[in-house]
Amino acid sequence: DQQVKQNSPSLSVQEGRISILNCDYTNSMFDYFLWYKKYPAEGPTFLISISSIKDKNEDGRFTVFLNKSAKHLSLHIVPSQPGDSAVYFCAASDRTDKLIFGTGTRLQVFP
Amino acid sequence: KAGVTQTPRYLIKTRGQQVTLSCSPISGHRSVSWYQQTPGQGLQFLFEYFSETQRNKGNFPGRFSGRQFSNSRSEMNVSTLELGDSALYLCASSLQGVGLRYGYTFGSGTRLTVV
Repeated sequence: DQQVKQNSPSLSVQEGRISILNCDYTNSMFDYFLWYKKYPAEGPTFLISISSIKDKNEDGRFTVFLNKSAKHLSLHIVPSQPGDSAVYFCAASDRTDKLIFGTGTRLQVFP
Repeated sequence: KAGVTQTPRYLIKTRGQQVTLSCSPISGHRSVSWYQQTPGQGLQFLFEYFSETQRNKGNFPGRFSGRQFSNSRSEMNVSTLELGDSALYLCASSLQGVGLRYGYTFGSGTRLTVV
């Protein structure tokens, strides 16, 4: 039972454009969401998080949007850069230190 | 400052053997979590320790166990290895109470191959 879903396994975006990565969840007890980026042979790197009391959080080029009624969140990267090419994971928590991860979306940013 | 250190980086074991993986968290971090990453299942939570106590546990069989020492270093053990245990095992650490807001810091992982 996949509680956190990333339905797009891959995404290709031109440099300078916006990248939008999507994530859906089923458990209404989740109230904190995180995004991680992962390069091959490295551990995931934290990007940004959002609590359920907010609907938007931004940090530099990264903005996360949360739609609780739809149980959907998205990560926007503007502008996209070649160095952003990686696998992106969303994760959810019910306020414990246990993260439930999605299966990831591979982002490729081309020149 | 030093990041999360996992040893060894690579490991090859035979079915039926047992294995112990080690994780040294960032200095001052007392919460340590373990995850298994496989191509088909993504990252799955194994367990989380804080101050030598297991606080959370994922849905893995009892062959998977862990512990945390007084210096916050953690080990996980897998007994009676199966081919399906081949995976990247990741350790993450955080300061108490802020991991959700500021993120958990992951190590580079231990790649375990069971043959």
